[in-house]
Amino acid sequence: EDKVVQSPLSLVVHEGDTVTLNCSYEVTNFRSLLWYKQEKKAPTFLFMLTSSGIEKKSGRLSSILDKKELSSILNITATQTGDSAIYLCAVPGGATNKLIFGTGTLLAVQP
Amino acid sequence: DAGVIQSPRHEVTEMGQEVTLRCKPISGHDYLFWYRQTMMRGLELLIYFNNNVPIDDSGMPEDRFSAKMPNASFSTLKIQPSEPRDSAVYFCASSRTGGFATDTQYFGPGTRLTVL
Repeated sequence: EDKVVQSPLSLVVHEGDTVTLNCSYEVTNFRSLLWYKQEKKAPTFLFMLTSSGIEKKSGRLSSILDKKELSSILNITATQTGDSAIYLCAVPGGATNKLIFGTGTLLAVQP
Repeated sequence: DAGVIQSPRHEVTEMGQEVTLRCKPISGHDYLFWYRQTMMRGLELLIYFNNNVPIDDSGMPEDRFSAKMPNASFSTLKIQPSEPRDSAVYFCASSRTGGFATDTQYFGPGTRLTVL
């Protein structure tokens, strides 16, 4: 069965710290891996990683795909309180390539 | 662009009652997705439609759940009868091309359902 596992489940850091969030996956036919940020409402899209685009960066956030290890990391440098959110990882899987989400990592950035 | 619209935003009902959640996708998006999010199970896909046709409903928990998409701009998720374990946030999302490898899904604000 296709699945996505994220770690840690939760994380508390102080402003200015650097954090690394992990996502590992098991899917029959890998196509892409997506990262979402969810604050109080709906998830919002951050990055999509594919075999042809294994590294993405946007400001203080960056993500790398390791196809050999079937995993991805999301790095956030110089964290701010506004980075506090649930970070979700998702991979298309199953017979119809529906998005399979991990349970997320709850990040709390303290002032 | 108004984004994905869901209603109601909050719903509190009693066990056994029928609940209907509504969604209006972004205009021009051919795919519509219904998700459920709980602390225990995270974000789960319930069903998705392509051009108003259900493609994958394997995530629908049981016969008490049903979803329809009568036209390109409207979908409903119905729970009948509702149970306390159905309490969750239900998200609707839409995308142009399926959101799998070349596109992203845009989520609505969600409906927080509480079944007493």
